[in-house]
Amino acid sequence: QVQLQQSGPGLVQPSQTLSLTCGISGDSVFSNTAAWNWIRQSPSRGLEWLGRTYYRSRWYNDYALSVKSRIMINPDTSKNQFSLQLNSVTPEDSAVYYCARETATTYNFDYWGQGTLVTVSS
Amino acid sequence: QSALTQPPSVSGAPGQRVTISCTGSSSNIGAGYDIHWYQQLPGTTPKLLIYANSNRPSGVPDRFSGSKSGASGSLAISGLQGEDEAEYHCQSFDGSLRAWVFGGGTKLTVL
Repeated sequence: QVQLQQSGPGLVQPSQTLSLTCGISGDSVFSNTAAWNWIRQSPSRGLEWLGRTYYRSRWYNDYALSVKSRIMINPDTSKNQFSLQLNSVTPEDSAVYYCARETATTYNFDYWGQGTLVTVSS
Repeated sequence: QSALTQPPSVSGAPGQRVTISCTGSSSNIGAGYDIHWYQQLPGTTPKLLIYANSNRPSGVPDRFSGSKSGASGSLAISGLQGEDEAEYHCQSFDGSLRAWVFGGGTKLTVL
């Protein structure tokens, strides 16, 4: 059974960097049949896909245009996990952040982390 | 606004059948990309309910079904139960945005 365990702070100051980590058990970050995504949810924007990382002989990343200039998603192969960094945050970045596994065959999100409520405030 | 359009709310009495629509465009559902549906019970994480338009993951009751036609799709729930009260989200891929997109979510109330 795949499990995703998120960790990271729930409060970030404006203009700082939001950093979250998603630990993977029951699968590998190197999987050829999965991609590792970050998605956020807020009352005003609903569910919003942010980006993903995946391995197909080498590492690839895709990012949503809305955050492309501020985001990095990186694998940590030594710990079988992946991370999200979102720079220059504003209160509009306040949301529940989820990591999720995407299946490479049907392109849906079949396993989700528990969610982390991140508030951007001083 | 979301790339996929869902009604904000639907309701039905126990035992009834309800449907939730998900309308896209020629750059996402209309381009042939699949629709997936998620159920989000209050205070919990989204759970995959229907994938690739009409397929149910193991453990999802056959009361839940999905369909797709043209640039839209729908989720049907028959034999409505109190435990079905949740928010339902559709998801697809948008070829113009090169991004996964979601609907705004539909809150189902069981009367």
